[in-house]
Amino acid sequence: GENVEQHPSTLSVQEGDSAVIKCTYSDSASNYFPWYKQELGKRPQLIIDIRSNVGEKKDQRIAVTLNKTAKHFSLHITETQPEDSAVYFCAASNRGTYKYIFGTGTRLKVLA
Amino acid sequence: NAGVTQTPKFRVLKTGQSMTLLCAQDMNHEYMYWYRQDPGMGLRLIHYSVGEGTTAKGEVPDGYNVSRLKKQNFLLGLESAAPSQTSVYFCASRPPGLGLNSNQPQHFGDGTRLSIL
Repeated sequence: GENVEQHPSTLSVQEGDSAVIKCTYSDSASNYFPWYKQELGKRPQLIIDIRSNVGEKKDQRIAVTLNKTAKHFSLHITETQPEDSAVYFCAASNRGTYKYIFGTGTRLKVLA
Repeated sequence: NAGVTQTPKFRVLKTGQSMTLLCAQDMNHEYMYWYRQDPGMGLRLIHYSVGEGTTAKGEVPDGYNVSRLKKQNFLLGLESAAPSQTSVYFCASRPPGLGLNSNQPQHFGDGTRLSIL
């Protein structure tokens, strides 16, 4: 079945450094890739998404890149801040289904 | 708008008891989803619905039932609770979208923390 692998499971960075989280998907028909941030005890919230007709998308300090050939996409956070500490989930979906397949999450710790 | 509202927020059950989790959304979304979240396992889809009166199985449906009698509500039932169903349950909804944008972001509720002893 469809699968999304996410790495690393934990990531610690110094404040101000960059963080990169990578996901690989198995369903070649996937065409939509959202990223969610989940703070402790809170709901997952969308932070950025990308569609398969775009290779890169940026929103201030956050960017996502997509490589359809390799079937992987990455989240890049620059100039990290303590409030970026959270669990980040990637997901993949294709237009033919209604389901989203989530990665297992990355716990990001930004050290002050 | 409240968005997606889940009730209750917390519940403790004994093995074998039954209960229903309620999800309500006020965004007129067609699609609704129930997930469970366990440490290190991300979000796993239990059941979902693509419209009023329709439901479908997700990745981990065993031991759960759902109903979508009204567009705004999606109920998740545990018929006979088991300790393995101890988890945090999230409901989500999204609009259908059109054409190339048919996939839209999901909006999540605050979750229900369920413990089964």
